[in-house]
Amino acid sequence: SQKIEQNSEALNIQEGKTATLTCNYTNYSPAYLQWYRQDPGRGPVFLLLIRENEKEKRKERLKVTFDTTLKQSLFHITASQPADSATYLCAPPTLSGGYNKLIFGAGTRLAVHP
Amino acid sequence: DVKVTQSSRYLVKRTGEKVFLECVQDMDHENMFWYRQDPGLGLRLIYFSYDVKMKEKGDIPEGYSVSREKKERFSLILESASTNQTSMYLCASTGVDQPQHFGDGTRLSIL
Repeated sequence: SQKIEQNSEALNIQEGKTATLTCNYTNYSPAYLQWYRQDPGRGPVFLLLIRENEKEKRKERLKVTFDTTLKQSLFHITASQPADSATYLCAPPTLSGGYNKLIFGAGTRLAVHP
Repeated sequence: DVKVTQSSRYLVKRTGEKVFLECVQDMDHENMFWYRQDPGLGLRLIYFSYDVKMKEKGDIPEGYSVSREKKERFSLILESASTNQTSMYLCASTGVDQPQHFGDGTRLSIL
């Protein structure tokens, strides 16, 4: 069955550094992958979508890569700020892909320290 | 601005009660979803609906049912609440080829 893996341990970094979060998927090849941000006690908020024919996607300080050979997506936040502290979820579509159904990873918690 | 509203942020119920969680979206989206989120397990899909009166089981539908009588409203029903249904419940909606928009969740405690 499809499996999504994100680093379960929290990532602690210093303000101003680049944060890199990893999402690995197995047993299938999704046509796209989405990244969401979730703050404590809130619902996830969509950040970026990257398609299989796109190697890289950027939005302000965010960058996502999609390596279909390694079956991996990397999510980068450059010049990180304490306000970037949150849990980040990767979400490719399900194998059936219908109705925009997604599989969500468990998320990686990012803590940016001043 | 898009908005998905869940009726309660916090809810405490007793074992055996019938519990209703309500979700309303104002974006005229066809698809609506109910998830539960537990620490270390991520979001797990309970049920989803792709049209009024249509519903399909997700990955963990046991103990739950849903109702979608109007396009904007999707209700999750716990037929007979049990302690293992204590969780954060999240509702989401999406249109065709769009990302999912989430409500802020209902933290449900079953005592």
